[in-house]
Amino acid sequence: AQSVTQLDSQVPVFEEAPVELRCNYSSSVSVYLFWYVQYPNQGLQLLLKYLSGSTLVKGINGFEAEFNKSQTSFHLRKPSVHISDTAEYFCAVNPGNTPLVFGKGTRLSVIA
Amino acid sequence: DARVTQTPRHKVTEMGQEVTMRCQPILGHNTVFWYRQTMMQGLELLAYFRNRAPLDDSGMPKDRFSAEMPDATLATLKIQPSEPRDSAVYFCASGFSYEQYFGPGTRLTVT
Repeated sequence: AQSVTQLDSQVPVFEEAPVELRCNYSSSVSVYLFWYVQYPNQGLQLLLKYLSGSTLVKGINGFEAEFNKSQTSFHLRKPSVHISDTAEYFCAVNPGNTPLVFGKGTRLSVIA
Repeated sequence: DARVTQTPRHKVTEMGQEVTMRCQPILGHNTVFWYRQTMMQGLELLAYFRNRAPLDDSGMPKDRFSAEMPDATLATLKIQPSEPRDSAVYFCASGFSYEQYFGPGTRLTVT
């Protein structure tokens, strides 16, 4: 069975500093990988996805993630965060033709 | 800009009452998902449909929850009777097997 581990439940970071949100997955088959963001009182919004091809994926709002097959990781990064990036971030994996398996989320708090 | 829509956005009801939540998936999407989100449990998959056929509802309490897709433009999630422990945000998502787009959610409070 597939599983997703988000290693940090909360990440505080100062405005304009870089941030990395960590995600590891376990799967015996090739997977598709996703990051979603949830702003307060809203639904989940797709940030970026890895389906195939280049292991560095660029998403919306200046975020990017790198797929590392040997480490089974898909960490999310942003070089300089803004107050508006404060939200909950979910990593998800899809081994194909089944629903996404979500991690428990990482709460990013950007401090002015 | 196509979006998943959900109604109502907020619902407060008393224990024992029936609750119906509705979802309009994005046109052309063949899969519809229902999730529940709480602080304690996080995001839980309740059920999902593909081409309107139910594929898996093992995440739902069978005795009180039911999910249907009467047509391609409407999915419903019903709770009867509702209980305080059902208080949560319920999300509908539509998409394909490898990608999902979420609606804004229905915040349910059962008193």
